[in-house]
Amino acid sequence: ETGVTQTPRHLVMGMTNKKSLKCEQHLGHNAMYWYKQSAKKPLELMFVYNFKEQTENNSVPSRFSPECPNSSHLFLHLHTLQPEDSALYLCASSQDWASNQPQHFGDGTRLSIL
Amino acid sequence: KQEVTQIPAALSVPEGENLVLNCSFTDSAIYNLQWFRQDPGKGLTSLLLIQSSQREQTSGRLNASLDKSSGRSTLYIAASQPGDSATYLCAATAYNQGGKLIFGQGTELSVKP
Repeated sequence: ETGVTQTPRHLVMGMTNKKSLKCEQHLGHNAMYWYKQSAKKPLELMFVYNFKEQTENNSVPSRFSPECPNSSHLFLHLHTLQPEDSALYLCASSQDWASNQPQHFGDGTRLSIL
Repeated sequence: KQEVTQIPAALSVPEGENLVLNCSFTDSAIYNLQWFRQDPGKGLTSLLLIQSSQREQTSGRLNASLDKSSGRSTLYIAASQPGDSATYLCAATAYNQGGKLIFGQGTELSVKP
């Protein structure tokens, strides 16, 4: 059973829609992450929040907008997406943004852009 | 720039076989090396984490080794079972980049009954 919960599990949206992905962790962690997993490509880190402050933005297009209102919740707001944005979006958390801390992953949101 | 490669991309073995999955990385200045398992439609489950000062880690039928000088890590699975069928991912954490994980593309393992 994962301590990181992502909703929705599946999302289909048109290119002009606005939607949000939600991630919630009940592990008492202070760092939260968004990753993108495309077919046949390695996982790509998108954003990192450490103690609610954004510490990493891995050159992600502005049509993806993260929000971290508290240490337990992380959102990814989506707007005017492109077909190539179709992917599995994974959320993870860890004790903090430190190199020796294991990350715990949610089951992801499968996003399809029409 | 750190790059992580996993070979083979896919592997099919009969039940009961011992097997080795390979992971290589280009920059030996890593903090640690992690192995994850991903089942279809699911997230990642951490299997083993090897710190840079360690040579190997063991958990049940799994043994992971790390050789920083050669830029290689292996995941050994003993007496494979159909329930081991999944995609196995390795990820390296580089120095001075916080907790940033650099992932390989994964090895898709199928264990046939």
